[in-house]
Amino acid sequence: GAGVSQSPSNKVTEKGKDVELRCDPISGHTALYWYRQRLGQGLEFLIYFQGNSAPDKSGLPSDRFSAERTGESVSTLTIQRTQQEDSAVYLCASNVDYRIENEQFFGPGTRLTVL
Amino acid sequence: DAKTTQPNSMESNEEEPVHLPCNHSTISGTDYIHWYRQLPSQGPEYVIHGLTSNVNNRMASLAIAEDRKSSTLILHRATLRDAAVYYCILRAPGRGSNYKLTFGKGTLLTVNP
Repeated sequence: GAGVSQSPSNKVTEKGKDVELRCDPISGHTALYWYRQRLGQGLEFLIYFQGNSAPDKSGLPSDRFSAERTGESVSTLTIQRTQQEDSAVYLCASNVDYRIENEQFFGPGTRLTVL
Repeated sequence: DAKTTQPNSMESNEEEPVHLPCNHSTISGTDYIHWYRQLPSQGPEYVIHGLTSNVNNRMASLAIAEDRKSSTLILHRATLRDAAVYYCILRAPGRGSNYKLTFGKGTLLTVNP
């Protein structure tokens, strides 16, 4: 596809369950980002992958959050033992590399609701 | 990152120009000014960016004040599809983890038919 895709588009889960969110970046984009956006709020950085370098995990809010990326393609964000405060839209973005002049292309997001 | 200030909301009529202001009085000499927008229920979308000179692209124009302490995003002819939250952010090259995008509340633009 032409853009960043994410799945599922919506996820409703019960507190305490694990969830896995998927991101397919634009082909050829070496940089991949995960962000979180709570209702009515701005963007919160979670994690960044750049090629084969060690990811920047500095934005992950707790050890319940983890993410992986296979080479320069698909990434999955896993949230273990979900809590109600994890409810948010999780956005994935990619670009050709980390330089700021390169725009980040965002996917449509996964709306996570933890009951 | 240097802070930006934007109005919470603005309103426009369809097919009229829209000028969205952004104040960034503490901008440093190397900070780029970026604009993104977010349509309802969608991910953010890049609009435009600039450093010192005014910039034009197919989506919009960016007018940057001579002292760079403010800028204005110009939509020349607003359409209903331009109704979105517009974010003005500063991005500094060459400093640590500057690849992170950080948005504040932005300006909610309403376009009336």
